[in-house]
Amino acid sequence: GAGVSQSPRYKVAKRGQDVALRCDPISGHVSLFWYQQALGQGPEFLTYFQNEAQLDKSGLPSDRFFAERPEGSVSTLKIQRTQQEDSAVYLCASSLTGGGYEQYFGPGTRLTVT
Amino acid sequence: KQEVTQIPAALSVPEGENLVLNCSFTDSAIYNLQWFRQDPGKGLTSLLLIQSSQREQTSGRLNASLDKSSGRSTLYIAASQPGDSATYLCAVNDSGNTPLVFGKGTRLSVIA
Repeated sequence: GAGVSQSPRYKVAKRGQDVALRCDPISGHVSLFWYQQALGQGPEFLTYFQNEAQLDKSGLPSDRFFAERPEGSVSTLKIQRTQQEDSAVYLCASSLTGGGYEQYFGPGTRLTVT
Repeated sequence: KQEVTQIPAALSVPEGENLVLNCSFTDSAIYNLQWFRQDPGKGLTSLLLIQSSQREQTSGRLNASLDKSSGRSTLYIAASQPGDSATYLCAVNDSGNTPLVFGKGTRLSVIA
């Protein structure tokens, strides 16, 4: 079946603009995670949903970052008033509950703030 | 706070060699350990998942072992090929559906 998809794949934003990044998880996957990956680093956790409930947002770096998953499927990560330090790859992952809880990742969105 | 370290940061080997990538974690109370592959400009591909009750997992030329008590895992790649060139990431979590904590990865180059 289809894997995790993300759009857009690349986004260039001028400093101060708002951006919205979309994640379509694998159908039936209850859990959804957002990670941020800076160049040359491992991914770092941002936020986590189980169905439509945001259970953990401790990794969001500032109140300019906001995520939602209103119907428990598609999720959007929004960044307001982008700054240069927001430039990174944003990765989305989904997993089932039960079984091995293996996380499956999308291709990521590369955000460049100029 | 869980911390994951991967050694070496980069590795270059000739084609055909067997090699070992190392991963260590500070808190042994983990649930899962996953090894991923990341090609330049791409997302993460899951290679192997080891649950805390398991000691190793194998897939083709890949074998991952877990020593939970000492906080270590190794990824063994047999008969390396140029197509194995990528960054390999190790990650752990502390319960079934919680965020993964990643290492910085090992960048592998296999030279033909």
